[in-house]
Amino acid sequence: RKEVEQDPGPFNVPEGATVAFNCTYSNSASQSFFWYRQDCRKEPKLLMSVYSSGNEDGRFTAQLNRASQYISLLIRDSKLSDSATYLCVVNTGSGSRLTFGEGTQLTVNP
Amino acid sequence: SAVISQKPSRDICQRGTSLTIQCQVDSQVTMMFWYRQQPGQSLTLIATANQGSEATYESGFVIDKFPISRPNLTFSTLTVSNMSPEDSSIYLCSSWGVMGTEAFFGQGTRLTVV
Repeated sequence: RKEVEQDPGPFNVPEGATVAFNCTYSNSASQSFFWYRQDCRKEPKLLMSVYSSGNEDGRFTAQLNRASQYISLLIRDSKLSDSATYLCVVNTGSGSRLTFGEGTQLTVNP
Repeated sequence: SAVISQKPSRDICQRGTSLTIQCQVDSQVTMMFWYRQQPGQSLTLIATANQGSEATYESGFVIDKFPISRPNLTFSTLTVSNMSPEDSSIYLCSSWGVMGTEAFFGQGTRLTVV
């Protein structure tokens, strides 16, 4: 079983749509959780950290369920500029190493 | 935040040769990380580089193939040795920012081995 598993995608949605990405992790000792965004031929960049209480940043909402070892990202009112690959990332705390999910590709269409 | 300058940005190399990739961080960081991202796939950690000690390699990666240097707290190199076409990939370096809340990445090195 992979340490971090994401929806395989790809997702193709129209502008204005709401889209949700799901992720599960296997190591119950994992300490911190993130969603990164990677544009084509670019390096990953932090979209948002994920907290147990849930957190929101504009159109983006992230949720963490430690009991189920589940992380989600919700994007509301999708924009063309949201088209990218979204990476679920987990810090297991072992040497601060990060483990990346396979990524979910999102394309927002006009 | 942390700004990481990585070079070269891309290279095309002959099989059997070696390529050294450099990363410079604009602040002192304890650990630097080297990742590989194969076409269409996510990032896989190769090794963690600590200043003053030997790098720690992940399963499936060995020092002879991917020697790493970490001469100081702002710089690291990764060498891809005796390259084969299977080494064609993007290589990225990374470090945590000073607040420890976000990992930053270099721009990546796109390697093609022919």
